[in-house]
Amino acid sequence: AQSVAQPEDQVNVAEGNPLTVKCTYSVSGNPYLFWYVQYPNRGLQFLLKYITGDNLVKGSYGFEAEFNKSQTSFHLKKPSALVSDSALYFCAVRDLKGLTGGGNKLTFGTGTQLKVEL
Amino acid sequence: DTGVSQDPRHKITKRGQNVTFRCDPISEHNRLYWYRQTLGQGPEFLTYFQNEAQLEKSRLLSDRFSAERPKGSFSTLEIQRTEQGDSAMYLCASSRPGLATNEQFFGPGTRLTVL
Repeated sequence: AQSVAQPEDQVNVAEGNPLTVKCTYSVSGNPYLFWYVQYPNRGLQFLLKYITGDNLVKGSYGFEAEFNKSQTSFHLKKPSALVSDSALYFCAVRDLKGLTGGGNKLTFGTGTQLKVEL
Repeated sequence: DTGVSQDPRHKITKRGQNVTFRCDPISEHNRLYWYRQTLGQGPEFLTYFQNEAQLEKSRLLSDRFSAERPKGSFSTLEIQRTEQGDSAMYLCASSRPGLATNEQFFGPGTRLTVL
């Protein structure tokens, strides 16, 4: 079964510094990987996805993620953090089991709270 | 572009009561998903519709839960005889037709509290 691990419950970083939010995955086939962000009292917002191709994926709000097949990782990165980036970040993998009709059931990690301080 | 909307945003109910939540997906999206999120956890898949057909149900969806999407547009999720363990955020998401890897767009969720 597919699974996602986010080893850090919280990441603290100073504004202007680079940030990394870690994600590792386990899948039986090709991984389709996603990052979402959740702000308080709001739904999850899509940031970026890796399906195939370049290992460095660029997404919304200056975020990017690096896919590493040998390490089964998909870490989220941003060169210069902003206070407004403070939120809960979820890594997800498409679950290839079941799901007829071509749907895209996602298996999520437990989330990483990012706190960016002045 | 109006996003996914959910109603109500909050619901407080007493144990044993029935509750129903509504989700309106983005208009051109034919795929609709329900997830449940508890505190400190990521969303967990509940069920999936393609148009009006319910194609997948998680084992998390006990027989007290039922979901419908009668006309292939909005969807409802009903919980009968609510239990305190049902307290959670219920999230709805939708995605475009075509590639199965199309990203899902989530609504703001309905927070259920069962007293």
